[in-house]
Amino acid sequence: GDSVTQMEGPVTLSEEAFLTINCTYTATGYPSLFWYVQYPGEGLQLLLKATKADDKGSNKGFEATYRKETTSFHLEKGSVQVSDSAVYFCAYTNTGFQKLVFGTGTRLLVSP
Amino acid sequence: GAGVSQSPSNKVTEKGKDVELRCDPISGHTALYWYRQSLGQGLEFLIYFQGNSAPDKSGLPSDRFSAERTGGSVSTLTIQRTQQEDSAVYLCASSPTSGVPPYFGPGTRLTVL
Repeated sequence: GDSVTQMEGPVTLSEEAFLTINCTYTATGYPSLFWYVQYPGEGLQLLLKATKADDKGSNKGFEATYRKETTSFHLEKGSVQVSDSAVYFCAYTNTGFQKLVFGTGTRLLVSP
Repeated sequence: GAGVSQSPSNKVTEKGKDVELRCDPISGHTALYWYRQSLGQGLEFLIYFQGNSAPDKSGLPSDRFSAERTGGSVSTLTIQRTQQEDSAVYLCASSPTSGVPPYFGPGTRLTVL
C-alpha cells in the first residue's frame, strides 16, 4: 500500500554541519510531497512542499527536490543551527490535505 | 493565541472507560482534521470535516471511535470502551479550505492503562 519511509533517528549533528534526512515514498500517480517540522512543545508546521516532479521546495534554508524517478524527497540544509532541533516528518497526498500520509518522523538534535 | 488548541494535553484512563478529546480550530477555518500518532508509527488519518458536508470517516479504526463538529467550529473525538492500543497522541488540525496546508494543534497524549 501507499507509504512513506524516512530514516530513523535521532540524527545528531554539530552546529553548522550539513544535514540530509532521507525520505522515499510508495504511491500511485503524481502525489504532492511535503516536509513538516515539530518543534518541542509545538504543533506540526509545514516546512516546505513540492507538487510536481523536479520541483524544489525551500524554506528557512531547508531544501527538498521531488525526484519521481527515485520516488524520493530528501531534506537538506547546508548549515544547521541549534534552533533546528526538532522532529521532521515527510508526507505526501494524492487526495488533498485531508489524507496526508506521513512517515514516522526523524528527530534532529543539533549541539553547539 | 490564534492557533489550534486541544484539550486536555494529557489524558490517562483505564481500559474500558470512554474518553472525549476536544479541538478548538482557528476561527473561520472550515476544514478540520483528526490524526493520531502511535508510538513508532507515522501520523494516521482519522476523520475530516469540511463545512457542512458529511464528514469523511474513512480513517476511523473501529466503531468505538466517533467525532462531531458542532456549529462548524469545536470538534470532539470520542473513544468508547478504550483499549490499550488506543494509546497515542491525537492531533487536530484546521485550514481555511481543504486545498490549503492545515495548521496542527499540539495534540492530546492519551494513555490507556
